[in-house]
Amino acid sequence: KQEVTQIPAALSVPEGENLVLNCSFTDSAIYNLQWFRQDPGKGLTSLLLIQSSQREQTSGRLNASLDKSSGRSTLYIAASQPGDSATYLCALYGNKLVFGAGTILRVKS
Amino acid sequence: GAVVSQHPSRVICKSGTSVKIECRSLDFQATTMFWYRQFPKQSLMLMATSNEGSKATYEQGVEKDKFLINHASLTLSTLTVTSAHPEDSSFYICSARDFDRGGYTFGSGTRLTVV
Repeated sequence: KQEVTQIPAALSVPEGENLVLNCSFTDSAIYNLQWFRQDPGKGLTSLLLIQSSQREQTSGRLNASLDKSSGRSTLYIAASQPGDSATYLCALYGNKLVFGAGTILRVKS
Repeated sequence: GAVVSQHPSRVICKSGTSVKIECRSLDFQATTMFWYRQFPKQSLMLMATSNEGSKATYEQGVEKDKFLINHASLTLSTLTVTSAHPEDSSFYICSARDFDRGGYTFGSGTRLTVV
């Protein structure tokens, strides 16, 4: 059974700092991985999708990597802003999504 | 990108009544949709997989008769919470997979409060 772990559970950083969110998974079979953002009381917004054949994806200040051999993915956020404050979720999927518990990020101005 | 519309965003109902939540894929066809429940400060819990034209597949521990799912078209799935009780109060989110563009897209969620 696939298990997804996200570290840290919560993170508070000053504005402008670069940061890394970690996601690890137990089953390194061929999976696609998707990073989401969730604001309080809202649905999920897709940030980056990494197909099983890819190693990383970039969008603006965000960069996500996928290392299937080690069972890890990282989400790198450059030059963090207060608007980045949210819960970040990683999820692996084949026929359905398996979520991590999320990292609550707070960027202080 | 792919858009999933979910309505209503908030609903308050009395105990014993039923509530219907709609999930629509606006710019793609979704043969499969997913319904999640989220408790405060917790991650999403998959309740069921909705299949167009056939019965939904429920996760272990989810009552089929309590959470009725209908997926009558390629763009619409509904979740009906029957005989709602206060413990059914939660945040419900649907999602669909866009096979053409890849990845899952989520609705904006429905906050259900049963009084």
